[in-house]
Amino acid sequence: DIVMTQTPLSSPVTLGQPASISCRSSQSLVHSDGNTYLSWLQQRPGQPPRLLIYKISNRFSGVPDRFSGSGAGTDFTLKISRVEAEDVGIYFCMQATQFPITFGQGTRLEIK
Amino acid sequence: EVQLVESGGGLVQPGGSLRLSCAASGFTFSFYEMNWVRQAPGKGLEWVSYISSSGGTIYYADSVKGRFTISRDNAKNSLYLQMNSLRAEDTAIYYCAREHSKVFDPWGQGTLVTVSS
Repeated sequence: DIVMTQTPLSSPVTLGQPASISCRSSQSLVHSDGNTYLSWLQQRPGQPPRLLIYKISNRFSGVPDRFSGSGAGTDFTLKISRVEAEDVGIYFCMQATQFPITFGQGTRLEIK
Repeated sequence: EVQLVESGGGLVQPGGSLRLSCAASGFTFSFYEMNWVRQAPGKGLEWVSYISSSGGTIYYADSVKGRFTISRDNAKNSLYLQMNSLRAEDTAIYYCAREHSKVFDPWGQGTLVTVSS
């Protein structure tokens, strides 16, 4: 199974400041079709997960442009350019390149 | 509006069974692959099972293989998860999620399954 490792597990951030979350996979996420199926999900308190970013860097419909994704192979990053109060929650990376689909442990974003 | 609504959760004794349902609306259900993902209280996300649009291809996590069965009824726009031989470690919120080209969106609100005596 592909193991997804996120760092940090907790990130206290000041409003208006940037935040960055790293996700590393135990093996390459490049699929045989050439795509890299790495997504980022946001889970606000008491809510189901919500898709933010897919295929490394594609922002999903309705997602603010302060969210961006980057990376390749086994190393990926989610960045928030200026954190807002509504960004509080847990962020998960997820790989769908290979079954079983696996998730990172989650990074809790909180406001300082 | 695209919507997924799970139901069927509840309290069940260890060794018991439960059948979860996921009602889809707002899109052509038969066109999409579907998944079940669970989240134990205060924990992370764990993928449980996948079913192709036709139902012809199915995958399970090792932790549920042989105990859970995923199925769908495209005529009823519904996804199911039959859970047998339930264990305490199966206690979780169970989400259904629509998949398109290995992208999961949307997710339902989830249904809570509690396995306890």
